[in-house]
Amino acid sequence: DAGITQSPRHKVTETGTPVTLRCHQTENHRYMYWYRQDPGHGLRLIHYSYGVKDTDKGEVSDGYSVSRSKTEDFLLTLESATSSQTSVYFCAISLKLPSMTASRSTDTQYFGPGTRLTVL
Amino acid sequence: RKEVEQDPGPFNVPEGATVAFNCTYSNSASQSFFWYRQDCRKEPKLLMSVYSSGNEDGRFTAQLNRASQYISLLIRDSKLSDSATYLCVVNIPRDDKIIFGKGTRLHILP
Repeated sequence: DAGITQSPRHKVTETGTPVTLRCHQTENHRYMYWYRQDPGHGLRLIHYSYGVKDTDKGEVSDGYSVSRSKTEDFLLTLESATSSQTSVYFCAISLKLPSMTASRSTDTQYFGPGTRLTVL
Repeated sequence: RKEVEQDPGPFNVPEGATVAFNCTYSNSASQSFFWYRQDCRKEPKLLMSVYSSGNEDGRFTAQLNRASQYISLLIRDSKLSDSATYLCVVNIPRDDKIIFGKGTRLHILP
């Protein structure tokens, strides 16, 4: 158990409304990730963070922003939700070694329970 | 060619049988490999890492073939509880990427 929680677990919202999903971890992991999972696409990386206030884009970042003001919380915001953002969102942490050298990266990832978001 | 490819299945296998999945990867810079299991409406969970020499964990055996760029997962004496989707995961540190396959669905039949 990597001590990861996500909130809310389920949400239904309307097109055009802002939505914020929260990922909380209790074990002081440096690296955190947001993924979405859709049928036929598998898991796709939205954004990730490698420290407080250090974030970067993943492969499907358009329409999403993130913030990390504390080690334990990584927030994902949909500024104006669209129906194409209906998905299951997973937060993850990894055990990547801070040195970031290729030969030493392990990158075993552990996932939170997920948030099911429906945009009507 | 996709970076990580898996047969989506479903594989329908009688209880007690042996089943094997393959996963191919295209990037020769891939360095570490994993199998994850995902139950319906749940998060993916690490099943096992895959080592060059092959490794076993109970009824599960993972193999890596770097020359042919594929990894495999063998499940012996399958149980009903093995029914899940199995995700192949490849880590490419040079590109700072982790690639998830789309998964292979397994149904164990009583």
